[in-house]
Amino acid sequence: EVQLVESGGGLVKPGGSLRLSCAASGFTFSSYSMNWVRQAPGKGLEWVSSISSSSSYIYYADSVKGRFTISRDNAKNSLYLQMNSLRAEDTAVYYCARDQSKPGAPFDYWGQGTLVTVSS
Amino acid sequence: EIVMTQSPATLSVSPGERATLSCRASQSVSSNLAWYQQKPGQAPRLLIYGASTRATGIPARFSGSGSGTEFTLTISSLQSEDFAVYYCQQYNNWPKLTFGGGTKVEIK
Repeated sequence: EVQLVESGGGLVKPGGSLRLSCAASGFTFSSYSMNWVRQAPGKGLEWVSSISSSSSYIYYADSVKGRFTISRDNAKNSLYLQMNSLRAEDTAVYYCARDQSKPGAPFDYWGQGTLVTVSS
Repeated sequence: EIVMTQSPATLSVSPGERATLSCRASQSVSSNLAWYQQKPGQAPRLLIYGASTRATGIPARFSGSGSGTEFTLTISSLQSEDFAVYYCQQYNNWPKLTFGGGTKVEIK
């Protein structure tokens, strides 16, 4: 069974940093591109970042470029999101999600999400 | 950026009735369109990809159609477990993926 489990969320002050993790199991993690998607409270979904299976290709939404860094450790079956210079508008539930079959495919599995709250 | 617009924002439907949800893209996305279902407190679930292909395990009462800029998700006979928020997503302009604002399907 495919499982994605996020962790690392919490309350952080504006300008602060946080590192999210996503532990994957039930599939060959190193074969899939992975993504972070966020959802502000009561709002819709926003794609944040993508990373290819071997980390060769990395992409960011304009809203987080220069502040967030996506990475992965295929030996540990883990995906990460380093978030720096956090702003109030970064407050959201952050989901990790797997590309269905190839980079740019829809997201066929999602984690349960981890809440990040940016507030003084 | 491709803007995805969903309508209506809220759809009130009685159990057993048909629900029709719309999604419009600001420019052509070919058939690179997916639909997701999200229930309160849960992660989204992939329903449809390629505009009309049901994902694994999705019941046949869910169907998708359209191409280019106009897309439709139809739920043929609403069950209690179908009341949720539905999002469309374009992946034609990868990696700049964008979602619609969502349609909430509520019990009438």
